[in-house]
Amino acid sequence: EAQVTQNPRYLITVTGKKLTVTCSQNMNHEYMSWYRQDPGLGLRQIYYSMNVEVTDKGDVPEGYKVSRKEKRNFPLILESPSPNQTSLYFCASGSGRGAWGPAVGELFFGEGSRLTVL
Amino acid sequence: DQQVKQNSPSLSVQEGRISILNCDYTNSMFDYFLWYKKYPAEGPTFLISISSIKDKNEDGRFTVFLNKSAKHLSLHIVPSQPGDSAVYFCAASLNFGNEKLTFGTGTRLTIIP
Repeated sequence: EAQVTQNPRYLITVTGKKLTVTCSQNMNHEYMSWYRQDPGLGLRQIYYSMNVEVTDKGDVPEGYKVSRKEKRNFPLILESPSPNQTSLYFCASGSGRGAWGPAVGELFFGEGSRLTVL
Repeated sequence: DQQVKQNSPSLSVQEGRISILNCDYTNSMFDYFLWYKKYPAEGPTFLISISSIKDKNEDGRFTVFLNKSAKHLSLHIVPSQPGDSAVYFCAASLNFGNEKLTFGTGTRLTIIP
């Protein structure tokens, strides 16, 4: 089954304690991305990766790091979490830039990771 | 600066009637638009898309209309069903095929049986 898997799904942590949210996809997608969802703000992009070893900042990258050492994995790292990073996080993957077609641009999302930083 | 706006946070529609969800954008360079649907405790799922060379795209009960001059798109669902109750996000991208999507804030649709 094609899917994007995130872990953990729920996490409560304290300010300053480093954490990693893992993301893995089994669709051989080149493109992966992290979003956070906050009330009234919709989905905002944190970081994205067009391919292995290629990452770039999205709209709200402050306080986050990512790495793309393998095609299937794209972990999100919070080196020193703060309460303003309390949010619902989504990882997504897609087929990447390609020929004109109806599926291009379609992202597949994980089920989300709800993070609370106290 | 919110480049993609969904001005209605919520919408309630009677079952069987038409649901119309609206989305406005400010960046005229956006050339590909998508709608995603999200149920509670799940990730968003792709629903329908439209490229800037079209003004309408239809898929079953779902139709998306694009008015480039007004920088406006809408999603029509007809007839509305209880399973359509969800949060709907519109999204836009630059350069067709670039998955760097900019999302709107979402509209919560409730279908009343």
